[in-house]
Amino acid sequence: DTGVSQDPRHKITKRGQNVTFRCDPISEHNRLYWYRQTLGQGPEFLTYFQNEAQLEKSRLLSDRFSAERPKGSFSTLEIQRTEQGDSAMYLCASSLPPFRENEKLFFGSGTQLSVL
Amino acid sequence: KQEVTQIPAALSVPEGENLVLNCSFTDSAIYNLQWFRQDPGKGLTSLLLIQSSQREQTSGRLNASLDKSSGRSTLYIAASQPGDSATYLCAVEVWDTGNQFYFGTGTSLTVIP
Repeated sequence: DTGVSQDPRHKITKRGQNVTFRCDPISEHNRLYWYRQTLGQGPEFLTYFQNEAQLEKSRLLSDRFSAERPKGSFSTLEIQRTEQGDSAMYLCASSLPPFRENEKLFFGSGTQLSVL
Repeated sequence: KQEVTQIPAALSVPEGENLVLNCSFTDSAIYNLQWFRQDPGKGLTSLLLIQSSQREQTSGRLNASLDKSSGRSTLYIAASQPGDSATYLCAVEVWDTGNQFYFGTGTSLTVIP
């Protein structure tokens, strides 16, 4: 399978717990994005990597959120001290650099987080 | 900040009808525009990508147009089928402090058999 893979598909946690999600992008894609989506809304940008460098992080993102992409391959998104407002679908996407012939954004199936 | 709007929010049509979905954006300084399809509880699938220098792209029964100067794009679906039922989102790629994609809230399409 050469698509974007996310794990787990679903996560239920209690408020105050830490959670970590993993994303494996398409192998030749050097750009990786994390988005958050709630029901009836479009994806909201969280952070962006080019290779292993985190180039941008949403100004709206709490310090409880952190992401890494060691060696420019897979990425992890950690949420510390989860709150009920963190409940959402967390989407990972990857793409080739801009101005390439096929720079479409490819999404994984997402991780649905429920904070009780 | 770029804002992307999609109208209508929901659309219901009988099978076989042709339809148009609309997307507008506030800042014309974009790299490209993509149309996505999203099925319930799933990730997004890219349907068409239009570069900022292009006017339209076609794939099968889908045709997307881009008028960058007016900040508008349309997605035309010909001969709609029940399998086309999904939410359709548009997104523009811009340069902020890094490449970012800004998404609309989507149009929920139902095709009635």
